[in-house]
Amino acid sequence: NAGVTQTPKFRVLKTGQSMTLLCAQDMNHEYMYWYRQDPGMGLRLIHYSVGEGTTAKGEVPDGYNVSRLKKQNFLLGLESAAPSQTSVYFCASSSPGEVETQYFGPGTRLLVL
Amino acid sequence: GQNIDQPTEMTATEGAIVQINCTYQTSGFNGLFWYQQHAGEAPTFLSYNVLDGLEEKGRFSSFLSRSKGYSYLLLKELQMKDSASYLCASMDSNYQLIWGAGTKLIIKP
Repeated sequence: NAGVTQTPKFRVLKTGQSMTLLCAQDMNHEYMYWYRQDPGMGLRLIHYSVGEGTTAKGEVPDGYNVSRLKKQNFLLGLESAAPSQTSVYFCASSSPGEVETQYFGPGTRLLVL
Repeated sequence: GQNIDQPTEMTATEGAIVQINCTYQTSGFNGLFWYQQHAGEAPTFLSYNVLDGLEEKGRFSSFLSRSKGYSYLLLKELQMKDSASYLCASMDSNYQLIWGAGTKLIIKP
């Protein structure tokens, strides 16, 4: 099992450009999450999904959109990139249960110039 | 508001014991998680506490006091590979994780 994978690993964008980050998991997990991680701050939840076809806003959703058309995939879109979106983006997945351990992908490093 | 506090950085010696503290204040509580994150890598799950007391798992132990909003991660027999950031996260009433900024642990020979 590959677990949680993310593409791309690294990307440089110019201000105003758009892009999509792809997350895939092969653990049949119901829940999927997108976080961003910035120096000196905890992981912050951008959007999440509790099942195929459903998405919800997290703590910092502005400037991002998501889609969960298939259970195994969760896409994060940046409509018009801004320098403030320079960050490391992590996708995670989990399954509802007694201990909802989240499993993380390797991250995508995004630099917006 | 919701808040997780943990020290920014700690230094310890190989073979020694270190305790990393975490205090939390969240809307509701559904458990306290500890994750390990090596530089440039993804966080990986270490432990979960939902009841008061100590949970031991090999060289690592985690403690929770719900009345005090306090947890600690205890690492014994430190190895160089334990150099990493340790993230504390509290699960709130909506089952969302609220994360601390992490404690960078530096192990010296």
